[in-house]
Amino acid sequence: GNSVTQMEGPVTLSEEAFLTINCTYTATGYPSLFWYVQYPGEGLQLLLKATKADDKGSNKGFEATYRKETTSFHLEKGSVQVSDSAVYFCALSRNTGNQFYFGTGTSLTVIP
Amino acid sequence: NAGVTQTPKFRILKIGQSMTLQCAQDMNHNYMYWYRQDPGMGLKLIYYSVGAGITDKGEVPNGYNVSRSTTEDFPLRLELAAPSQTSVYFCASRVEGFTGELFFGEGSRLTVL
Repeated sequence: GNSVTQMEGPVTLSEEAFLTINCTYTATGYPSLFWYVQYPGEGLQLLLKATKADDKGSNKGFEATYRKETTSFHLEKGSVQVSDSAVYFCALSRNTGNQFYFGTGTSLTVIP
Repeated sequence: NAGVTQTPKFRILKIGQSMTLQCAQDMNHNYMYWYRQDPGMGLKLIYYSVGAGITDKGEVPNGYNVSRSTTEDFPLRLELAAPSQTSVYFCASRVEGFTGELFFGEGSRLTVL
């Protein structure tokens, strides 16, 4: 079946630390991959996406590369800020079917 | 740009009551979805629709009903509310095609007492 597995949280980092949140997926064919961010009390917002193998999505200093050989889409940021504290969701959309598949989310807290 | 608008933002229900969560989008998206998010958990798909007059069940449809009479609106009906339906509900929409991202509303927080 189709699924997304994210690293367990919560993650706590000091400001300016390097961030990696691991995401691996299971899907047939060539899905599109997404990272969403949810700030406290808000809905989910698209952070970045990649629609084919080897694509790199980037936004607000965050990056993720679509690796088909390892079925991964890890989220990285070189220097996190307090304002990056949020819950991050990895998701996929298959090239057949109409559904999105979300990971369970990873909570990030950045301390000054 | 309004995007996806959900109402109400907050609601408290008594066990056995019914209510409708409203969702409207102004982006002319054919695909619309309802998710619930329990505290500290991920998203679970309740129902989705690929166009007016077409709806389908997701992962957790029991206790809910939907309709899609127009492209813009996708209301979610809760019948006979139960404490297990206490959750935050998110409506989302997107264009056709698997590369399109979901656009989310701000959520409706429902408490059943």
